[in-house]
Parts: sequence; structure tokens; C-alpha cells
Amino acid sequence: GDSVTQTEGLVTLTEGLPVMLNCTYQTIYSNPFLFWYVQHLNESPRLLLKSFTDNKRTEHQGFHATLHKSSSSFHLQKSSAQLSDSALYYCALDNTNTGKLTFGDGTVLTVKP
Amino acid sequence: DPKIIQKPKYLVAVTGSEKILICEQYLGHNAMYWYRQSAKKPLEFMFSYSYQKLMDNQTASSRFQPQSSKKNHLDLQITALKPDDSATYFCASSQDYREGSQNTLYFGAGTRLSVL
Repeated sequence: GDSVTQTEGLVTLTEGLPVMLNCTYQTIYSNPFLFWYVQHLNESPRLLLKSFTDNKRTEHQGFHATLHKSSSSFHLQKSSAQLSDSALYYCALDNTNTGKLTFGDGTVLTVKP
Repeated sequence: DPKIIQKPKYLVAVTGSEKILICEQYLGHNAMYWYRQSAKKPLEFMFSYSYQKLMDNQTASSRFQPQSSKKNHLDLQITALKPDDSATYFCASSQDYREGSQNTLYFGAGTRLSVL
């Protein structure tokens, strides 16, 4: 079956430093849809980024990610972390565009002053 | 105003009892879903509905039964509750079950269920 791997369970950064959260996936389908969802404390998950186009950079709210099918990766990056970026970040895969998402374990990002 | 309303926000139940989790969406979407988030597992797909019709079921147990009385309603009935059912249950919706472009899910605030 499909799977999504987020290698870091917890990332702690100082404000202003770059952010990179790793995401790799496995699927037998050749055209998967990849997503990043962000969940702030006591809130619901909210879509941050999405992509299905190979090697195309997607940006939103200062974050960006590029789907690389050759390496099955969809890493999340931001040039400068802000305190408000502290949250739980999920990478997710939908291989059939049916809303049936397979989520990674999530990465808790904590940004300190 | 929240566009996906889940009730109640918190729920405490005793083992063996039955509860219904309510979900209504006012986004005009045609597809609705249930996801579960527990301490042991990440967000996990449970059910998907399109135009009130069950499309996919990834829940092994028949104790979990979705109920759709209207297109914008998808409740979740859970019977014979167990402590392992303790989790936050998120309702979600999307424009359509299958689109030409990415199918974006919007999540409700969740119902946090504790089974004692």
C-alpha cells in the first residue's frame, strides 16, 4: 500500500533560520497528488501546499515545496522561520484524487526566539 | 464562522456504550469524509462519501457506521465503545469526490472522544 515517511518527528529552530521538513513517499501510481497540511495547537489540519506536477515549485504563505517523482520526495522549505510557524506539519499522499489521504507521522516544528 | 461544524467538541463515554458524532458542512461540497487522529497513529482515513453514497471504507470494524441524512451531513455512529477508540475524529469535505485537479480537503475542528 501507499506510505509517507517524515523522518523528523520534532524540529526545533531559532527564529530567522531556514526550515526544511522532509517527506518521501511510496506508491505504485505514477501520478500521485502530494500535500502539506499544517495543524496548529487545538486546531484542525489546514492545507498549506499541494502539487501533482513533477519538478514544479509550489509556494504559499512563504513556504515552498517541489514534487520530485524521481526521488519520490516533496520536502517543505521556508527561507526564514517565524514564531507563528510553530505547529504540526503533515505530508500526505492521494494517489487517486479521491480525498483518501495517506498521512505521514507528522513533524512538530517549534520555533524559538 | 466555521463552515464545517462538528458536535460535540468533547465527548466522554463509558466502555460498551454508543455515541454519535455529528458533522455538517456549509461549503456546498459534494464529498465528505471521516478521519481519526489518535496518540498512537497519525491522521488516518476512515470513510468517504459522495452525494450521500459510501465510496470507500478503511475501517475494519463494523462498530463504526457513517450516516448521511442530507448531502451536507455525515454523522458517525460508534457502538460498543472501547478505550482504544479514544481519539479525535475529524470530519472533512471537498468539492467533489474526483476532480480534474487536486481534491482539496477542508477539515472541521474535530470531536475529541475519550472512552473510559
